[in-house]
Amino acid sequence: AQKVTQAQTEISVVEKEDVTLDCVYETRDTTYYLFWYKQPPSGELVFLIRRNSFDEQNEISGRYSWNFQKSTSSFNFTITASQVVDSAVYFCALRGVNTDKLIFGTGTRLQVFP
Amino acid sequence: DAGVIQSPRHEVTEMGQEVTLRCKPISGHDYLFWYRQTMMRGLELLIYFNNNVPIDDSGMPEDRFSAKMPNASFSTLKIQPSEPRDSAVYFCASSRLASTFGTEAFFGQGTRLTVV
Repeated sequence: AQKVTQAQTEISVVEKEDVTLDCVYETRDTTYYLFWYKQPPSGELVFLIRRNSFDEQNEISGRYSWNFQKSTSSFNFTITASQVVDSAVYFCALRGVNTDKLIFGTGTRLQVFP
Repeated sequence: DAGVIQSPRHEVTEMGQEVTLRCKPISGHDYLFWYRQTMMRGLELLIYFNNNVPIDDSGMPEDRFSAKMPNASFSTLKIQPSEPRDSAVYFCASSRLASTFGTEAFFGQGTRLTVV
């Protein structure tokens, strides 16, 4: 069975603080893909990043960085120097190659205050 | 490409009425997913198709829900009869073949359904 757990329901920070969103996953597939999506207040779901299970290199894109660790089945997302525009719900998702099913965690609501 | 297109954006209907939600996936995508989003349950996968064939409908809540994909460019999600607890935002998403491309799913803008 596949499962994605985002234990943090809501996080509040003040602008310019760094914040890390946690994601833990379960899957029986040996090859799988992990994703992060952003859902701003306007409601659309915006793709942020994809990671393959065989590539554990961390990735940085501007103020965003992702830490993938197979040993702990985690795929955490860090926003450096947060801004008010980062306020959104962030979803972690998992897709196994064998099932092709794309499932989501329950999301973490991030509020960045000025 | 225009992206995934869903219609209508908003739907208000009375309990007991039939509701049909529509989705046009991105051209060339092999997979189509239907999700329901509520505050209580988050993003639930209802059903997904591969090359127009339903692969897994285990997330469909009950027999009142049905989904079809008559061709590669169109899918519908129907609720008959609708109930107030069906009120939610319904998203459609499409993607290419994961095992080959491992690509992400792209989402439509969603349909906000309110059943009164």
